[in-house]
Parts: sequence; C-alpha cells; structure tokens
Amino acid sequence: RKEVEQDPGPFNVPEGATVAFNCTYSNSASQSFFWYRQDCRKEPKLLMSVYSSGNEDGRFTAQLNRASQYISLLIRDSKLSDSATYLCVVNNQGGKLIFGQGTELSVKP
Amino acid sequence: SQTIHQWPATLVQPVGSPLSLECTVEGTSNPNLYWYRQAAGRGLQLLFYSVGIGQISSEVPQNLSASRPQDRQFILSSKKLLLSDSGFYLCATGDEPNTEAFFGQGTRLTVV
Repeated sequence: RKEVEQDPGPFNVPEGATVAFNCTYSNSASQSFFWYRQDCRKEPKLLMSVYSSGNEDGRFTAQLNRASQYISLLIRDSKLSDSATYLCVVNNQGGKLIFGQGTELSVKP
Repeated sequence: SQTIHQWPATLVQPVGSPLSLECTVEGTSNPNLYWYRQAAGRGLQLLFYSVGIGQISSEVPQNLSASRPQDRQFILSSKKLLLSDSGFYLCATGDEPNTEAFFGQGTRLTVV
C-alpha cells in the first residue's frame, strides 16, 4: 500500500463548480499535512497546510480526519486559473515529506 | 525568507555519462534537504533526504547517490546514467521537521 494515496484524475469541471479532492495516508504517526499545487512543468508550491480543526483560505478549505487517516481539499467557485495538479503531502516522523501521486484538475469555460 | 538555487534547468546527457546536480539554500541554517524525482506524468518520488551535514537517508535503491558537504549544499550524483534516470529532479528544503518544504525550480534531465 502506498504511503499517500489520492483520487485518480483528471477532474474536468466547468467554471464556478465546486470540486473536492481526497487523500489517505497509511502512517498513523504522521505529524503534519499539506496541499501543494503544481503547474505544468513547474515545481510544486505550497497551497495550504492542513490543521486538525480544519482551515479555510478564500475559496479553499482543507480538512483532516486523523481517526480515518484522511485529508481533503475543497475548491469552491472554480476559476480557470485553478487548473493544475494538486498534491497531498504528509510529513512523517524524522522529517520525511511524502507526496501523493497528484490529482489533475482542469477547469473549463 | 529561504531561497533555493538549483541548476541547470535543463540537461541532456548520454547513457553512461556521470551526473552532478547541485542545490544550495540561502536564508536558513541546518535545514532538512530533499531530492525528489518526478517521471513524466507521475508523482514525486523521494530519493534522498538529509537532516544535517553528512547525514543522508536513501529511500529507494537506485543508480544515484547524494552528499551534503556543507550545511546548505546538497548534491545529487551518478557515476553512469541510465535511460531510466530521465526525469524532473527537484531539490527541496524545510526548516523544521514538521513544516512545509520549499522547492527549487528543478532540473529536467533527459538521458539519451
């Protein structure tokens, strides 16, 4: 079983749609969690950290369920500029950052 | 704030040739350092990570090695490249064990 698994893509949605990405992790001792965004042929960039209480940044909401070892990202009112690959990232003990395989999002006009 | 320098941006090397990719970090001390590889259309695979000078953990058996001769310098090497070594190589750094990582701009390596 992979350490971090994400929904397979691609997700093709119209502008204005709400889209949700899911991610599960296998190591119950994982310490911290993040969502990254990667544009085509570019390096990944931090989108947001994921806190136990859930957190929101504008149109983006991240949630963590430690009991189920599950992380989610919700994007409301999708924009064309949201098209990218979204990577779920888990920081395990000892400082290892493990990435999911990514979910591609394509927002269409 | 941290700055990561990674070069070159693009590299084409013949099979069997050596490789040396360098990554340097500014604006922080004693960072965690990472080398990742991303094959075309795939996720990021952690190759090596380092929590200090001379401390390297290898994640997968492979044709590559890493070294950390200085606190803010991380080097990825190979003695003889294989076709399967082609990919997008990314260096990353994190300040604390539980914080996010920041990436360099990556090196796109094509082995021919």
